[in-house]
Amino acid sequence: KQEVTQIPAALSVPEGENLVLNCSFTDSAIYNLQWFRQDPGKGLTSLLLIQSSQREQTSGRLNASLDKSSGRSTLYIAASQPGDSATYLCAVKGYAGANSKLTFGKGITLSVRP
Amino acid sequence: NAGVTQTPKFQVLKTGQSMTLQCAQDMNHEYMSWYRQDPGMGLRLIHYSVGAGITDQGEVPNGYNVSRSTTEDFPLRLLSAAPSQTSVYFCASSYSFTGSFTDTQYFGPGTRLTVL
Repeated sequence: KQEVTQIPAALSVPEGENLVLNCSFTDSAIYNLQWFRQDPGKGLTSLLLIQSSQREQTSGRLNASLDKSSGRSTLYIAASQPGDSATYLCAVKGYAGANSKLTFGKGITLSVRP
Repeated sequence: NAGVTQTPKFQVLKTGQSMTLQCAQDMNHEYMSWYRQDPGMGLRLIHYSVGAGITDQGEVPNGYNVSRSTTEDFPLRLLSAAPSQTSVYFCASSYSFTGSFTDTQYFGPGTRLTVL
C-alpha cells in the first residue's frame, strides 16, 4: 500500500527565505505527483503536477522536482512571502490505469513571518 | 467556469439523520471523487466515479452512498449520520484522460459537517 510522508508537519520561516518542502512515498510505481496548497477553511488548489517521466516542473517562484527511484519529491519556494503561508500537500497517483486513486500526505503547514 | 461547487458549506446533524451533500462541476470532467479530511488523518477517499453511471468505493465507504446520473453532478448521501462522520468533506474532479494537464485535480471549497 502506498504511503506518503511529509516531514516536518509545520515550518516557520522569516520572509525572503528560500525553502524546500519534502515529500516521500513508499512505492515508486507512480503515474504522477501533485503538489497542492490549502488555505485555512478552504479547498485544495493544485500548484504543480509532475508526470512520472518528468524530473521537475516550474511555476513562478515554485519549482517541484521528482526522483522516482528514491521515492522523493521536493517543492522549492523562492523568496518566500507572508502570502505563501498555507498548508502544502503532496499526492501521488498510482499506475493502475488513468483512474487510479490519489494518496495524500498529511501536509506541511508553512508560516512565513513578516 | 464556476469550477467545482459544493453545497451546503456548513451542516449540523443529529445522530441518525440522513442528508445529501451536493457536488457539481461545469468542466465536463469524467472523474469525480469525494474525500473526507480529519485532523491527523489527512485526506481519505470515500467514493469515486469514472463517468456517468459508474461509481466505486474508496478507502472509507461505509455509511455513505453515491450515484452519478449526469456528468456534472456527484452527490454524497449519508444514510444514518454518526458522530464519527463529523469531518470536512471535499469533492474533486479531473478530466481523467492520460496526459500531462488533464490529470490535474480540482477541488471544491468543502462542506463542514458536525454530527451531534
